[in-house]
Amino acid sequence: EVQLVESGGGLVQPGGSLRLSCAASGFTFSSYSMNWVRQAPGKGLEWVSYISSSSSTIYYADSVKGRFTISRDNAKNSLYLQMNSLRAEDTAVYYCARVNGLALPGGYYYYGMDVWGQGTTVTVSS
Amino acid sequence: AIQMTQSPSSLSASVGDRVTITCRASQGIRNDLGWYQQKPGKAPKLLIYAASSLQSGVPSRFSGSGSGTDFTLTISSLQPEDFATYYCLQDYNYPRTFGGGTKVEIK
Repeated sequence: EVQLVESGGGLVQPGGSLRLSCAASGFTFSSYSMNWVRQAPGKGLEWVSYISSSSSTIYYADSVKGRFTISRDNAKNSLYLQMNSLRAEDTAVYYCARVNGLALPGGYYYYGMDVWGQGTTVTVSS
Repeated sequence: AIQMTQSPSSLSASVGDRVTITCRASQGIRNDLGWYQQKPGKAPKLLIYAASSLQSGVPSRFSGSGSGTDFTLTISSLQPEDFATYYCLQDYNYPRTFGGGTKVEIK
């Protein structure tokens, strides 16, 4: 079964740090790009960060740039999000999501987020 | 960053109704758009990709259309399990951006 399981969330004080993990199973993790997406309480979805399969390409949302670092360990089938200088507005459920090539007519592929973890909750509060 | 404007933000409908949700991009995104369904306390689920392609396992009552800047998600006959929040997502470039969401409630 294809599965993503996040962990590492918790309560942290403003200015603190936290490292989230996402464990992948049921597929060849090293072949897929990955994203982090978050959702503040009662709010909509917000894309946070992207990493390519080889870690050669990385993107961040402006809201986390310079504070968050995405990384992966393909040998351990794991994705990470190091979060530093946390703020109250970083409070959210954090999801990891796989980017997969989805078939289109004519042999083309569309790269969309097809598998998501269940999320891990980060609360930034004093 | 591309802005995605989704409407309505909420709607009330009955089982069997036809429901339409729209999403407008602030610039042309070809057909690089996905639609997601999210139920309370659950992760989002991909319904539609490339604006109109049905993800495997998703019921055929869901359909998508549009290209460029204007997109539509249609549920042809609303079922009890379809009451949820729906989001569009542009996959055209980074930063990826979601629409604000449409909550579909029971009338």
